[in-house]
Amino acid sequence: IAGITQAPTSQILAAGRRMTLRCTQDMRHNAMYWYRQDLGLGLRLIHYSNTAGTTGKGEVPDGYSVSRANTDDFPLTLASAVPSQTSVYFCASSEGASSGNTIYFGEGSWLTVV
Amino acid sequence: GQNIDQPTEMTATEGAIVQINCTYQTSGFNGLFWYQQHAGEAPTFLSYNVLDGLEEKGRFSSFLSRSKGYSYLLLKELQMKDSASYLCAVMDSNYQLIWGAGTKLIIKP
Repeated sequence: IAGITQAPTSQILAAGRRMTLRCTQDMRHNAMYWYRQDLGLGLRLIHYSNTAGTTGKGEVPDGYSVSRANTDDFPLTLASAVPSQTSVYFCASSEGASSGNTIYFGEGSWLTVV
Repeated sequence: GQNIDQPTEMTATEGAIVQINCTYQTSGFNGLFWYQQHAGEAPTFLSYNVLDGLEEKGRFSSFLSRSKGYSYLLLKELQMKDSASYLCAVMDSNYQLIWGAGTKLIIKP
């Protein structure tokens, strides 16, 4: 059972470079999410998509963009990376964006911007 | 603003019982989740409460009081593998999850 696959697992990136974190799910979930997790701050929502073809901004969207061309894929792009974007990024999905739907997480992508 | 509070760190002994508290202030309420996260790994689902009361699932139980904006996760018969962070999250009126910073639980033999 694959669930949610993220790539790369880890990456060191020079500041100013463009980077895309890939996320694919095989559960046919309608909703997908990108979170960043930083020490002491908990999980913060970057962008989300309630269904293929739609996206929305979360709590910390600046410097990031997403697309949802199909149900399975939800890539996150950093247009011009900055050191403050050093974090671990989790892609997640749920059946739908409604009460009671459990969110499942990918294994995470560790990104260091230098 | 929306806020989830939980203790930063707790220590307990193997075989004992520990209660991790979570208080919340959110715009609306559509359920409360508890997740477990081992160091360097992804969060995994533990429990979901939407009505007041206690939900029991094996060694883990979760309690909710909506009027008090309060929940706790109770872990019984602690095992070393329970050493992890425990995350409390509330689904608000827009069906977005608001996350606490997590409670790091250290189990000592």
